[in-house]
Amino acid sequence: DAGITQSPRHKVTETGTPVTLRCHQTENHRYMYWYRQDPGHGLRLIHYSYGVKDTDKGEVSDGYSVSRSKTEDFLLTLESATSSQTSVYFCATGLAGVGEQFFGPGTRLTVL
Amino acid sequence: AQSVTQLGSHVSVSEGALVLLRCNYSSSVPPYLFWYVQYPNQGLQLLLKYTTGATLVKGINGFEAEFKKSETSFHLTKPSAHMSDAAEYFCAVSDRETSGSRLTFGEGTQLTVNP
Repeated sequence: DAGITQSPRHKVTETGTPVTLRCHQTENHRYMYWYRQDPGHGLRLIHYSYGVKDTDKGEVSDGYSVSRSKTEDFLLTLESATSSQTSVYFCATGLAGVGEQFFGPGTRLTVL
Repeated sequence: AQSVTQLGSHVSVSEGALVLLRCNYSSSVPPYLFWYVQYPNQGLQLLLKYTTGATLVKGINGFEAEFKKSETSFHLTKPSAHMSDAAEYFCAVSDRETSGSRLTFGEGTQLTVNP
């Protein structure tokens, strides 16, 4: 267990409101990732970070932004939530090299 | 770009029967390969991985997978299913040639185990 927590675990919000999800790790892993999970799509990468203040886009980054001001925290922000962003969001961490990732428990977000 | 195909979004087996979950990938070079399991309302947990060396890889809970380069496959098997194996399983690949350990996931296979 890589010691990854996500907050909140559940959130219901309304269309157009900003939302921030937090991922916190205690393992000092360099890489951090945000995924969304939707039925029939598996997990899709939103954004990832390869170090403090170093981030890059994944395959479904539109409508999302991220920040990483310290090693242990990786924030995902929905500037103006839409119903299409209703999903389960997973944070993961990883080490360089073989690519294994460790996953948090997930955040279930509902946008009404 | 890499892609992962898991054949069968739902697989149903009887308790004690063989479990076979199929995964094929497309990649210009052999990637790193992973199987993850997800139990209801939980995150993903690593079952096993192939990076180099022996192509038959053993993981947790009695699962194993074999990397077959000629078939670009990494199928997951377990000789005898248990009720506790009911979960969703994801195959994933990582590109050896890039840093950042980015994973590409298949769409997942829901395994049901019938008594």
